[in-house]
Amino acid sequence: EDQVTQSPEALRLQEGESSSLNCSYTVSGLRGLFWYRQDPGKGPEFLFTLYSAGEEKEKERLKATLTKKESFLHITAPKPEDSATYLCAVQGGRGNKLVFGAGTILRVKS
Amino acid sequence: IAGITQAPTSQILAAGRRMTLRCTQDMRHNAMYWYRQDLGLGLRLIHYSNTAGTTGKGEVPDGYSVSRANTDDFPLTLASAVPSQTSVYFCASSEGVWGHTQYFGPGTRLTVL
Repeated sequence: EDQVTQSPEALRLQEGESSSLNCSYTVSGLRGLFWYRQDPGKGPEFLFTLYSAGEEKEKERLKATLTKKESFLHITAPKPEDSATYLCAVQGGRGNKLVFGAGTILRVKS
Repeated sequence: IAGITQAPTSQILAAGRRMTLRCTQDMRHNAMYWYRQDLGLGLRLIHYSNTAGTTGKGEVPDGYSVSRANTDDFPLTLASAVPSQTSVYFCASSEGVWGHTQYFGPGTRLTVL
């Protein structure tokens, strides 16, 4: 069965303190790995899609990387507005559903 | 571009009542999905539709039904609501099925008493 584990559950950073969020996965035939950002009371907002090991994508202070077993979301010099829950999801070969991790709650303090 | 709209934003419902959550997308996406999000359990797929006229069961389909009469609309119906269906419901859509990014709506917060 496809599974996604995200760590840490919560992360507190000072503004400007770079760090990484981890998404470990097991999936039968990876179709895609997806990162979303979710603010309180809102729907998940798409950030990145990664399809194969070695792939990297960047957007502002965020960079997502992918290996055969895990993905990292690197946050460089975060700002308070980066505070949110970050969700990782995979789509495997058995079905079209996304399997989500529980998320990492990020708080950036000024 | 509005993307995905959901209605209502929130609802309090008595157990045993019937309720339909509405979802409309304006992106002409082929596939649509309904998820529920519960604390500690994350997002779980309820039902999906790969294209208009077809539907399928997700991970937690019991107590829910869907229909897909056209490309834009994908309503979710609770025939007889129970307290365990208290949750936040998200509708999503994607251009295609395999490997395509799913875009989410703002959600409906449902409380069943």
